[in-house]
Amino acid sequence: AQSVTQLGSHVSVSEGALVLLRCNYSSSVPPYLFWYVQYPNQGLQLLLKYTTGATLVKGINGFEAEFKKSETSFHLTKPSAHMSDAAEYFCAVSAPSGNQFYFGTGTSLTVIP
Amino acid sequence: EADIYQTPRYLVIGTGKKITLECSQTMGHDKMYWYQQDPGMELHLIHYSYGVNSTEKGDLSSESTVSRIRTEHFPLTLESARPSHTSQYLCASRGGMPYGYTFGSGTRLTVV
Repeated sequence: AQSVTQLGSHVSVSEGALVLLRCNYSSSVPPYLFWYVQYPNQGLQLLLKYTTGATLVKGINGFEAEFKKSETSFHLTKPSAHMSDAAEYFCAVSAPSGNQFYFGTGTSLTVIP
Repeated sequence: EADIYQTPRYLVIGTGKKITLECSQTMGHDKMYWYQQDPGMELHLIHYSYGVNSTEKGDLSSESTVSRIRTEHFPLTLESARPSHTSQYLCASRGGMPYGYTFGSGTRLTVV
């Protein structure tokens, strides 16, 4: 079975500051991991994913995430926040052979000018 | 360009009305999903389909029904809408692994 925990339902950062959104997973098999972003009144858009290979993955808009098996984590980071990064962010996990994704409860990112 | 489309984007209807939320995708994906999203953001899987004539209920009990007569089309129907159905409904599809879900833009439903 798979599950995802996102620590912090609301995160605020200043413009230009580091963005760190936390995601921990539980999986009985090596997981596939995803981060999605949702802008107001929109669907979810894929930011990045980890499947196999390099544990540091880069996504769109300058975001990256690192898969740490020992910590069962897949935290999302961006070195310098931009006002346009304000959105909801969802972490998701799936088994490689699975048909469903399991989403976290989401983190709302606010960027303060 | 391949994509997934949901209509309408916004809908306000009266209690007791029957409504159908449309979802279509042009990617030939077998797997399609409907999620209900609370105002507090959390996503709840309410229906899914792994192919034509295949539909299953998700983790969250829902009074809605779905059908999958064609690969590209996965409509959701509420026979009698109630204020408790007010929510955002997101449709998604997926090809094989390791690809993620592709989401539609959502339908924001308000039942008055």
